Amino acid sequence: KAGVTQTPRYLIKTRGQQVTLSCSPISGHRSVSWYQQTPGQGLQFLFEYFSETQRNKGNFPGRFSGRQFSNSRSEMNVSTLELGDSALYLCASMASGRLHEQFFGPGTRLTVL
Amino acid sequence: AQKVTQAQTEISVVEKEDVTLDCVYETRDTTYYLFWYKQPPSGELVFLIRRNSFDEQNEISGRYSWNFQKSTSSFNFTITASQVVDSAVYFCALSGTVDTDKLIFGTGTRLQVFP
Repeated sequence: KAGVTQTPRYLIKTRGQQVTLSCSPISGHRSVSWYQQTPGQGLQFLFEYFSETQRNKGNFPGRFSGRQFSNSRSEMNVSTLELGDSALYLCASMASGRLHEQFFGPGTRLTVL
Repeated sequence: AQKVTQAQTEISVVEKEDVTLDCVYETRDTTYYLFWYKQPPSGELVFLIRRNSFDEQNEISGRYSWNFQKSTSSFNFTITASQVVDSAVYFCALSGTVDTDKLIFGTGTRLQVFP
C-alpha cells in the first residue's frame, strides 16, 4: 500500500508570491491534516479536512488555506508569502474509524527568499 | 490548555547504550492519546506508538519500550542497546477528545548515536 505522497518536495519562492502544495493520502483514508514545522515554532497544526470539509483549524492567518477533493487529495495554499513561511510542510492522512492514527508524508520544504 | 514538554533538546550516546527520552504532558481531558514519532533526516514523521489514557500498561516492542505514568503525566520512551540508525529527532505528541485529529507536539529531542 503506497504511503502519503506530497508534491513538490522542494520549493523556492520569493516574498509576495503564492504557493500551492499537494498531498495524496493513503488509499482509503478520508482525513488529511497539514502541519507546519519550523526551527522556532516546532510542529504546528494548520488544518484538517475530512470528506472535502474543513473539520479543524489551527491558529494561522487567513493567508493559509486548503481544500480537499472528492478523491481525498488535498491542497494547501499560502498567499502573499513572507520570509517566516519558510518551513517544512507535512501532510498526514488517517483512516475513518482509526482515530488518532495519523501517517505522515515526507513533507514539502518551502524556502521563501 | 494542552501542552507537551520534552525538556531534553539533544542527547548523545555511544552505540549499545540505553537511552531514555522524557515526555511530560498537560491536559484537562480525561480521555486523551499520547504518541511518539521519529523523524529521521529525510523529514518524514514515522509513527512509533499510540497510547490512550486508560491504558497504563508499559509496552515493549523490540528494543523500544514506553513507560506511561498518569500520576506524573509522563510518557517516557527508552531505546535499549541503541544503534546508529536510531539517530533522529523524536517527538512526543498529544491529542484530546475535542480536537481528536489535532496533534500537539513537543519540541522534540535530537538523539545522536555514535559508533
